[in-house]
Amino acid sequence: GQQVMQIPQYQHVQEGEDFTTYCNSSTTLSNIQWYKQRPGGHPVFLIQLVKSGEVKKQKRLTFQFGEAKKNSSLHITATQTTDVGTYFCAGRNSGTYKYIFGTGTRLKVLA
Amino acid sequence: GAVVSQHPSWVICKSGTSVKIECRSLDFQATTMFWYRQFPKQSLMLMATSNEGSKATYEQGVEKDKFLINHASLTLSTLTVTSAHPEDSSFYICSASTRQRQETQYFGPGTRLLVL
Repeated sequence: GQQVMQIPQYQHVQEGEDFTTYCNSSTTLSNIQWYKQRPGGHPVFLIQLVKSGEVKKQKRLTFQFGEAKKNSSLHITATQTTDVGTYFCAGRNSGTYKYIFGTGTRLKVLA
Repeated sequence: GAVVSQHPSWVICKSGTSVKIECRSLDFQATTMFWYRQFPKQSLMLMATSNEGSKATYEQGVEKDKFLINHASLTLSTLTVTSAHPEDSSFYICSASTRQRQETQYFGPGTRLLVL
């Protein structure tokens, strides 16, 4: 079945350093979404990417969708302690409205 | 807008009992609801997809007789964990989408289940 993998699994950074998580799907995706889950919380929607090669920015966060629509990345510039949490990508194949979540990347930011 | 609630937020029960979890869309009509399970430090695993008025579609490996899903109205879906066992202890999260924007999911706050 479809698999969505993320690397790294964990990342510890010093506050102010940059952070990137990569998402790879075994199948071509129709679109991809990114979520942030704080410890003890539920996933919070961050963004959706639809077009091949699309790049979107939200303040310090930059999201990219690969040309082949099989991979994506989330880059955080100058991390802050509020960025702590687990970041999930979730991919959807065409013909379905269900999303398969990636394995997640847990980010810890050291002050 | 687009608020999804879950009840209860946490539940502790004895092994062998059944537990019902409710998922409600408060300000929109949810034509489709999704149920996920998340074990500690793991990802969200889709359990089933339910469309209002029809039977739920379960993912491979999810026992439909164990996890009963009912989506009787456009604002309510329920997940019943029957004869719960300690291995069913998990974080259960629902999400809902509308007919107009089926690609967007609105997540509930989740229900933590602990089976003793």
